[in-house]
Amino acid sequence: EVQLVESGGGLVQSGGSLRLSCGASGFAISTCWMHWVRLVPGKGLEWVSRIHGDGYEINYADSVNGRFTISRDNAKNTLFLQLNSLRAEDTAVYYCASQRWLQGSSFDIWGQGTMVTVSS
Amino acid sequence: QSALTQPASVSGSPGQSITISCTGTSSDVGGYKFVSWYQQHPGKAPKVMIYDVNNRPSDVSNRFSGSKSGSTASLTISGLQAEDEADYYCCSYTSTKNYVFGTGTKVTVL
Repeated sequence: EVQLVESGGGLVQSGGSLRLSCGASGFAISTCWMHWVRLVPGKGLEWVSRIHGDGYEINYADSVNGRFTISRDNAKNTLFLQLNSLRAEDTAVYYCASQRWLQGSSFDIWGQGTMVTVSS
Repeated sequence: QSALTQPASVSGSPGQSITISCTGTSSDVGGYKFVSWYQQHPGKAPKVMIYDVNNRPSDVSNRFSGSKSGSTASLTISGLQAEDEADYYCCSYTSTKNYVFGTGTKVTVL
């Protein structure tokens, strides 16, 4: 069964840091783009970042560029998101999602999400 | 990158059809076929309902359909059912190699 499982969320003070992890099973993350998407309370889904299968290309949303860093360990089949200089507006449920191109350009597999709360 | 514009809420009675619009620009919705739609129930992960404008995954009911005209994409749900009550988001690839989601639409089955 294909599955993504996030971990690493929690409560952190404004200006602090967290590292999120996303473990994959049932498929190899080296074969696809991997993304982070967040659900901001009262606002909706926001795309955060993506990384190519070999890590060659990385993109970020303007709102997190320079503060967040996406990375992957293909040997451990795990995706990461380093969150630095956190702000109250970064409070959200963070999801990892795969883009395997089995269903076109869609994000076809999603994790259950991990909550990040930034206190001011 | 500004979020794509969706109506905040749409409602319908069981059996009726509803349509949700998703308006962007020529730099996102209007410029690419990479538009998808996601359904999200409270406390659950999003699920893809339509990909690449008008394609439906095999596990999604044929009551769901998608289309696009210019910079506006649309999701139609026909034969509305109670289980369709959820939040719906469109998503598009953009000219800056990013993705952008819509503002989200709450669908209520009356």
